Amino acid sequence: DAKTTQPNSMESNEEEPVHLPCNHSTISGTDYIHWYRQLPSQGPEYVIHGLTSNVNNRMASLAIAEDRKSSTLILHRATLRDAAVYYCILRVYFGNEKLTFGTGTRLTIIP
Amino acid sequence: DTGVSQNPRHKITKRGQNVTFRCDPISEHNRLYWYRQTLGQGPEFLTYFQNEAQLEKSRLLSDRFSAERPKGSFSTLEIQRTEQGDSAMYLCASSRGTGSNEQYFGPGTRLTVT
Repeated sequence: DAKTTQPNSMESNEEEPVHLPCNHSTISGTDYIHWYRQLPSQGPEYVIHGLTSNVNNRMASLAIAEDRKSSTLILHRATLRDAAVYYCILRVYFGNEKLTFGTGTRLTIIP
Repeated sequence: DTGVSQNPRHKITKRGQNVTFRCDPISEHNRLYWYRQTLGQGPEFLTYFQNEAQLEKSRLLSDRFSAERPKGSFSTLEIQRTEQGDSAMYLCASSRGTGSNEQYFGPGTRLTVT
């Protein structure tokens, strides 16, 4: 599986936007970029995914670099409930059913 | 969706004992996954099922571990002769197996081996 690199931790103030970076320089053409997050004492939850174009959903936006070697998860207005570990995962659309988690970015929200 | 449920939520056992965990996936999901997570690490894949067929097993799944999904609905994960190194959170997830195939995780079973 292609590898992703994320900062170990980040802090952000409440009600401000948060940009969580992910580097994936060895991404292949068939890899989708998935983001999951894990709130304290819970299982991971799906956030968003994309292939080439930027994507938006009710939780977040995903900005993908033109060369696809990096991406950024954007939380538009962080709340205390967004404090979690965020995982950037590469996943082939067909086959390779498992998710390969790294250590993720621990996001702390400052009130 | 009632979500993925796992039982028990916590299990404390003595080294050498056998333990069994249960996972009930979201009802229309045909894929079910087991992961293990230790403190400070991301979840690690153990195995997955499509309906009742076990299609992939990680090398982490030693001979002491066995998983079943007999009728393609709930699944069980059994650990025989537990060791202290088995102490971890065991997570179950399910997915539809179509489209983006995002996985929905349960709350996990925390195993402590003393």
